[in-house]
Amino acid sequence: EVQLVESGGGLAQPGGSLRLSCAASGFTFSRYWMHWVRQVPGKGPVWVSRINEDGTTTTYADSVKGRFTISRDNAKNTLYLQMNSLRAEDTAIYFCALDLSGARDCWGQGTLVTVSS
Amino acid sequence: DIVMTQSPLSLPVTPGEPASISCKSSQSLLHSNGNTRSTWYVQKPGQSPQLLIYLTSSRASGVPDRFSGSGSGTDFTLKISKVEAEDVGIYYCMQGLQTPYTFGQGTKLEIK
Repeated sequence: EVQLVESGGGLAQPGGSLRLSCAASGFTFSRYWMHWVRQVPGKGPVWVSRINEDGTTTTYADSVKGRFTISRDNAKNTLYLQMNSLRAEDTAIYFCALDLSGARDCWGQGTLVTVSS
Repeated sequence: DIVMTQSPLSLPVTPGEPASISCKSSQSLLHSNGNTRSTWYVQKPGQSPQLLIYLTSSRASGVPDRFSGSGSGTDFTLKISKVEAEDVGIYYCMQGLQTPYTFGQGTKLEIK
């Protein structure tokens, strides 16, 4: 069974940093693109970033480009999102997702990030 | 960015009756490999979005056959043949053709 478990969320100050992790199990992690998607409670999901199977190709939404960095450790079956220069508008639940829009599309339960002074 | 527009935004349905949700994209979702990259999710209260339909009409593993997807180009439809109480939730379409992947506004299905 596929499991994606996010961690690392919490309260950060504007301008601060957080590092999210997503522990993956139940599938061959190194064979799939992985994504981060965020959702403000009560609003629709918004795609944030993606990374290819070996970590050599990354793509970002314009709203986070230059501030967020996606990475992965295939030996540890873990996906990361380093978030710097955080803004109030980054407040959301962050989900990691496997194979977005594909047959094995699956999302974790999410971790809440709150940016506030 | 590709804009995804759903209708209706609210959908009250009597159990046992059919339901239909429309999604229109601002440009064709036809990939060069011949696949059309529209996707449907349902998000139930307190849960993350769950895949229902991928590549426009392929049902995800474990999804009941009362759910079906259709469409082409820029027009897509999710149909539920006979709504059940457990189908309550918010339904989202998404395009996976190009980044940034974008979602529709969501359609809230409720039971009458």
